[in-house]
Amino acid sequence: AQTVTQSQPEMSVQEAETVTLSCTYDTSESDYYLFWYKQPPSRQMILVIRQEAYKQQNATENRFSVNFQKAAKSFSLKISDSQLGDAAMYFCAYRGNTGNQFYFGTGTSLTVIP
Amino acid sequence: EAGVAQSPRYKIIEKRQSVAFWCNPISGHATLYWYQQILGQGPKLLIQFQNNGVVDDSQLPKDRFSAERLKGVDSTLKIQPAKLEDSAVYLCASSFAPSAYYEQYFGPGTRLTVT
Repeated sequence: AQTVTQSQPEMSVQEAETVTLSCTYDTSESDYYLFWYKQPPSRQMILVIRQEAYKQQNATENRFSVNFQKAAKSFSLKISDSQLGDAAMYFCAYRGNTGNQFYFGTGTSLTVIP
Repeated sequence: EAGVAQSPRYKIIEKRQSVAFWCNPISGHATLYWYQQILGQGPKLLIQFQNNGVVDDSQLPKDRFSAERLKGVDSTLKIQPAKLEDSAVYLCASSFAPSAYYEQYFGPGTRLTVT
């Protein structure tokens, strides 16, 4: 079974600085999707960024970018110019292209220090 | 565009009681998901519907959990009887189609406490 590991339960960053959240995964599939979700204290989870495994180019969404290392099965999220509103729980998730199951990591709680 | 709606937001019951959660997906979304999120863990997919049919319920504890989506729109998740370990947030999500290409939109969740 696929597993997703987030080894940083908590992270903190100064406002306007850059922070990187780590994620590794295990799979035998060659085609899949990887996601970063943000879950603020209100609990409504929203998609931050998505990466398709067959694309070599790292995905970018404004201040959010990923470093996708397919051979190393690593998928880290970089948040640039951190803002107070970025404070939340961040989940890394995996979904194979043929299956239905989403696999989530245990999350990283990000604190932004003013 | 209205988001995914869930009710109730909070529920407290005693073990062995029954409980039901309701979800209304985004209009036009054919695929609906129910997740269980235990405190300190990531969400775990319980069941996935495509219209009113079940696509995947491999992680659903079928001896006590049931779910339906009779008209392909709203969905209900039921637990009967509840156990202490069912205490969790139950998240509903929907997407336009089942492919991972389509974004899942999540509701605010229902926090269940079983005492």
